Amino acid sequence: AQSVTQLGSHVSVSEGALVLLRCNYSSSVPPYLFWYVQYPNQGLQLLLKYTTGATLVKGINGFEAEFKKSETSFHLTKPSAHMSDAAEYFCGYSTGRRALTFGSGTRLQVQP
Amino acid sequence: DARVTQTPRHKVTEMGQEVTMRCQPILGHNTVFWYRQTMMQGLELLAYFRNRAPLDDSGMPKDRFSAEMPDATLATLKIQPSEPRDSAVYFCASGLVLTGNMNTEAFFGQGTRLTVV
Repeated sequence: AQSVTQLGSHVSVSEGALVLLRCNYSSSVPPYLFWYVQYPNQGLQLLLKYTTGATLVKGINGFEAEFKKSETSFHLTKPSAHMSDAAEYFCGYSTGRRALTFGSGTRLQVQP
Repeated sequence: DARVTQTPRHKVTEMGQEVTMRCQPILGHNTVFWYRQTMMQGLELLAYFRNRAPLDDSGMPKDRFSAEMPDATLATLKIQPSEPRDSAVYFCASGLVLTGNMNTEAFFGQGTRLTVV
């Protein structure tokens, strides 16, 4: 089945450390890929998206992700974690015929 | 600023009662999605509409759930009769699909937290 898989349901980093959240996709057609963030008791907010073109995508709040077709990955990174980055992050996927669906989510904790 | 509005934000109901959740998509968006979020299942796509027509509701339990768009400014999700296992947060999202291609980002509402006791 075509989908996304998020590796690691919980990730903990220290403030100022690198953030790396992993997402792999499975698709027989070119996918559109998304990262969303969800803060407690809120809806999802788009961080960034890959459609076509440049494979390194920059988003809001200093996040970026790189589409790697050879590795079927779309990992989310941020060079330096901030306390306000603590939230749940969802990798999303859509194709021409399939509407946006999501991975299982990764909860990011940021330790002071 | 433009946002998706969902009402009510919270709903507690007794098993067997009808529940209606409402969503006002962003003005100008032609596609509406309904998602359900639970601890066990994560975020599930229940149904989506484009130009008010249902495109796919395969994620929805057909016997008790129904989704409609009476007009371009209102989408509804109904559960009748409700059951405790329906307890979840239900999200509505909207987007703009210019062609038949479903590759669009979705703008989410704040959700309706449903508790069925």
